Amino acid sequence: KNEVEQSPQNLTAQEGEFITINCSYSVGISALHWLQQHPGGGIVSLFMLSSGKKKHGRLIATINIQEKHSSLHITASHPRDSAVYICALDNTDKLIFGTGTRLQVFP
Amino acid sequence: DGGITQSPKYLFRKEGQNVTLSCEQNLNHDAMYWYRQDPGQGLRLIYYSQIVNDFQKGDIAEGYSVSREKKESFPLTVTSAQKNPTAFYLCASTTGGASNDGYTFGSGTRLTVV
Repeated sequence: KNEVEQSPQNLTAQEGEFITINCSYSVGISALHWLQQHPGGGIVSLFMLSSGKKKHGRLIATINIQEKHSSLHITASHPRDSAVYICALDNTDKLIFGTGTRLQVFP
Repeated sequence: DGGITQSPKYLFRKEGQNVTLSCEQNLNHDAMYWYRQDPGQGLRLIYYSQIVNDFQKGDIAEGYSVSREKKESFPLTVTSAQKNPTAFYLCASTTGGASNDGYTFGSGTRLTVV
């Protein structure tokens, strides 16, 4: 069983829709990261969470440590949100990456 | 602005040749990392360094080598011993240790071996 599982693998949405991407994990962690990878390949760090909830603009990330689950929400989605969203576990001195959720938002 | 610079963005090499990928950061970060990304898989750790002149193997270090002579620089050499070197390579850095406040990633180098 993988240590980190993301769902869904692929997601399409119409502009304006509310998006949820899920991340479940099975190991102890010190923090969880949500990352965004654009088609060119570069990765941007969106959030680092160790508990509760964080919000940045239209993005909201939550984590439930007891249930080993995190969600990334995008409100009022826009075509420029189209990217791969990656969940990564901070496990001592290295990151464990999920395989990513590919999001496409159509106008 | 501070950040990580990876160069080149695209690299082509003939089979059997060694190739070195550059990673430079001006963030004053102690820890630096090299990851490999293949289609449909999560990023996998090749090597990491938490301090100058010291580095550790990651999960897939075979066929790769690194050096950390300066805090700012962590070059990765893909040697001819790497069986399947064609991939996307990402460098990252962080402050490291208990003060870790998140990771910064480079824009990546796509290596194609022909």
